Amino acid sequence: DVKVTQSSRYLVKRTGEKVFLECVQDMDHENMFWYRQDPGLGLRLIYFSYDVKMKEKGDIPEGYSVSREKKERFSLILESASTNQTSMYLCASSPRQGHSGNTIYFGEGSWLTVV
Amino acid sequence: AQSVTQLDSHVSVSEGTPVLLRCNYSSSYSPSLFWYVQHPNKGLQLLLKYTSAATLVKGINGFEAEFKKSETSFHLTKPSAHMSDAAEYFCVVSAWSNTGKLIFGQGTTLQVKP
Repeated sequence: DVKVTQSSRYLVKRTGEKVFLECVQDMDHENMFWYRQDPGLGLRLIYFSYDVKMKEKGDIPEGYSVSREKKERFSLILESASTNQTSMYLCASSPRQGHSGNTIYFGEGSWLTVV
Repeated sequence: AQSVTQLDSHVSVSEGTPVLLRCNYSSSYSPSLFWYVQHPNKGLQLLLKYTSAATLVKGINGFEAEFKKSETSFHLTKPSAHMSDAAEYFCVVSAWSNTGKLIFGQGTTLQVKP
């Protein structure tokens, strides 16, 4: 079975803290994604990576960075957490494709509260 | 550019009655379209996908969707709702690129009343 694992389901952090959200996939997928989900705003893409050490900005990259040192792991980093980053964060992965249509698989989500 | 619009933010049905969740898309290319479901406090699970094969697509849990190019629609249906279908549903279009980047609709919350 396909598995995308987000190690932290619920986190509470203080304003200004550095926060790491970790995601691991066991499907040997080339592509990995970080989204955030907010009520009324749906899912918004923060960053994605299509290969090890490669990354591209999504729609809302400000205040975030990412790291992909190994194919199976994609980390989202909040350099200095702020209260407007309180949200649910979803990691996803998919195989590389030559044509759009491959399925993206999601993790269970990480609920982050910044106080 | 691709976009997707879910026409209803909230749908309420009685158990055993049909479900219709509406989705319209815009795409400059032949799109790939998906429906995902999200139960409370869970990630997103793929229900079904259309990738230019048969226009009527069958998914899990009795759901199906029909791709209508002339209407630019991809509505999700189920003949008989079950209590366990209560969830949020996302219609998604795949951007035409090698990255598999997805564009999400705003979501439709399905309520199923006993």
